[in-house]
Amino acid sequence: EVQLVESGGGLVQPGGSLRLSCSASGFIFSNYAIHWVRRAPGKGLEYVSAISSNGDSTYYADSVEGRFTISRDNSKNRVSLEMTSLRAEDTAVYYCVKSLGDATVTYYFDYWGQGTLVTVSS
Amino acid sequence: QSALTQPASVSGSPGQSITFSCTGTSTDLGDYYYVSWYQQHPGKAPKLMIFDVSSRPSGISNRFSGSKSGNTASLTISGLQPEDEADYHCSSYTNSGLVFGGGTKLTVL
Repeated sequence: EVQLVESGGGLVQPGGSLRLSCSASGFIFSNYAIHWVRRAPGKGLEYVSAISSNGDSTYYADSVEGRFTISRDNSKNRVSLEMTSLRAEDTAVYYCVKSLGDATVTYYFDYWGQGTLVTVSS
Repeated sequence: QSALTQPASVSGSPGQSITFSCTGTSTDLGDYYYVSWYQQHPGKAPKLMIFDVSSRPSGISNRFSGSKSGNTASLTISGLQPEDEADYHCSSYTNSGLVFGGGTKLTVL
């Protein structure tokens, strides 16, 4: 059974930093790209970032480019999202999502984690 | 503002059929047949209901169906059930990555 478990969310002040982690199981982790999607309170889903199966290729939405960094450790079946210079508008539930294949390009998402809440507030 | 446009809310009675719309442009939804729909109950993760415009993943009821015409995609739920009450999100592939709609809240009266 595919499982994706996010951790690391919490309350942080504007301008602060936070590191989210996603631990995966139930599939050959090193064969698949991983994505992050977020949902702000009262808003729709927003595609945030992605990393290819071998970590060589990454993608960032314009809204987080230069502030967020995605990385992965295939030996630990884990993906991380380092978030810096956080803003109030980054407040959201962040979901770790499995890709269809090894590239950052995907046409839809088949497996989602339960999400971790990030709150940016003073 | 979301890339795709969805109505904020719709409602229906048990047993009815209801259709959600999702409107994009000729450069996203109108240009690709990679439209997907996700159901999300409060506090839960999104669940894939439809992919590639009209395909259902294994285990998804045939009460759910999808279609597309021009720049607008649609999700139809037939035989509405109380457990269908949830948020529904549409998504489309673009050459800049996946884009989503703002989501539609379905209320089953």
